[in-house]
Amino acid sequence: AQSVTQLDSQVPVFEEAPVELRCNYSSSVSVYLFWYVQYPNQGLQLLLKYLSGSTLVESINGFEAEFNKSQTSFHLRKPSVHISDTAEYFCAVRHLGGGSEKLVFGKGTKLTVNP
Amino acid sequence: GAGVSQSPRYKVAKRGQDVALRCDPISGHVSLFWYQQALGQGPEFLTYFQNEAQLDKSGLPSDRFFAERPEGSVSTLKIQRTQQEDSAVYLCASSFLSQGVTEAFFGQGTRLTVV
Repeated sequence: AQSVTQLDSQVPVFEEAPVELRCNYSSSVSVYLFWYVQYPNQGLQLLLKYLSGSTLVESINGFEAEFNKSQTSFHLRKPSVHISDTAEYFCAVRHLGGGSEKLVFGKGTKLTVNP
Repeated sequence: GAGVSQSPRYKVAKRGQDVALRCDPISGHVSLFWYQQALGQGPEFLTYFQNEAQLDKSGLPSDRFFAERPEGSVSTLKIQRTQQEDSAVYLCASSFLSQGVTEAFFGQGTRLTVV
């Protein structure tokens, strides 16, 4: 079965500390990988994505994620977080082939950045 | 419009009542998706349209759920004889083409509460 696991449901950190949000997926075929962010009272927004090529992808606000095929992981990292990064983060995978366009999401990780 | 618009934002329905949820995608977007997000969970795929064609409805949980997009733009998700387990946020997303190639934009969702 296709699935996405986000092991940490909540991650509290202090401002300017580094953070890693973990994501593992299961798939027997090639995948596209995504991280979405949901700020309070807002809709889901795409943060970054891996389609092909370089396994390290970056967002415009300092987040990065690395695709590790052997470990079937796509962990999200930021070296120094801000209060404004407080949000819920969802990892998602699209399995290629079979004609399916759907995304399979993890349960989400609530990141709380404290002063 | 500037983004994906969903209405109503909130809906309270009595058990057994029929409801209709509307999604206005971004103009010109070919692909449209519906997801269901239960409390504390990630979004789960319901159905997918390419223009007016419903290409994947594998995620619809029962025959009480029905979606349509008759003219390839606005879509309606209908739930008949609502049950308490239908309480969730229903998310609509649209993209210009395939989600793997172009970004999917999400609406803010409709929060359905069945009492």
